[in-house]
Amino acid sequence: SAVISQKPSRDICQRGTSLTIQCQVDSQVTMMFWYRQQPGQSLTLIATANQGSEATYESGFVIDKFPISRPNLTFSTLTVSNMSPEDSSIYLCSVKSQGGRNEKLFFGSGTQLSVL
Amino acid sequence: DAKTTQPPSMDCAEGRAANLPCNHSTISGNEYVYWYRQIHSQGPQYIIHGLKNNETNEMASLIITEDRKSSTLILPHATLRDTAVYYCIVGGTSYGKLTFGQGTILTVHP
Repeated sequence: SAVISQKPSRDICQRGTSLTIQCQVDSQVTMMFWYRQQPGQSLTLIATANQGSEATYESGFVIDKFPISRPNLTFSTLTVSNMSPEDSSIYLCSVKSQGGRNEKLFFGSGTQLSVL
Repeated sequence: DAKTTQPPSMDCAEGRAANLPCNHSTISGNEYVYWYRQIHSQGPQYIIHGLKNNETNEMASLIITEDRKSSTLILPHATLRDTAVYYCIVGGTSYGKLTFGQGTILTVHP
């Protein structure tokens, strides 16, 4: 299994500011993903973080609002830009481990973001 | 990815088996059935997955019907720490990403 470290674990931010969330994996992985979980809701995929190229965003999410970096196979960042209270959510990093019948996703512990 | 249907909530007595159902009638031939759980405000935890055969590991058992249109997650001896939201997800391996539904809130009571 992959061990995923996410920083920060929680933060309280002011409207209009930006926050960068870091995701570090203890092994090289091909695919990394960023999810959002709004209060009382299920998880929604924001984007796939691609190593060496631009992230692939899901419908409803754009690069200007959620820029993503993936400089290598063990690290990625998600920035929540120009925050508003509607961005208050848990943000989760996940990685795909192995492939074939043993393929599964592992998740970090999440970043709980509150925007005032 | 195929859509899943789960009951919104279930109760179980501590020490008894918890049987969580999931319907996935539009599952395609190469899609796996995954189960994850999420304890309050933590990241989802992988439980088990399968393609068409029943699976068992140290956490749970997964029973998939022969037509693959439904499955059941079994926690053989539920404890209070098993109280969580349980997600049933079906997905292929092409892109790795999984689509989460609303899940089942399982409450284990003494």
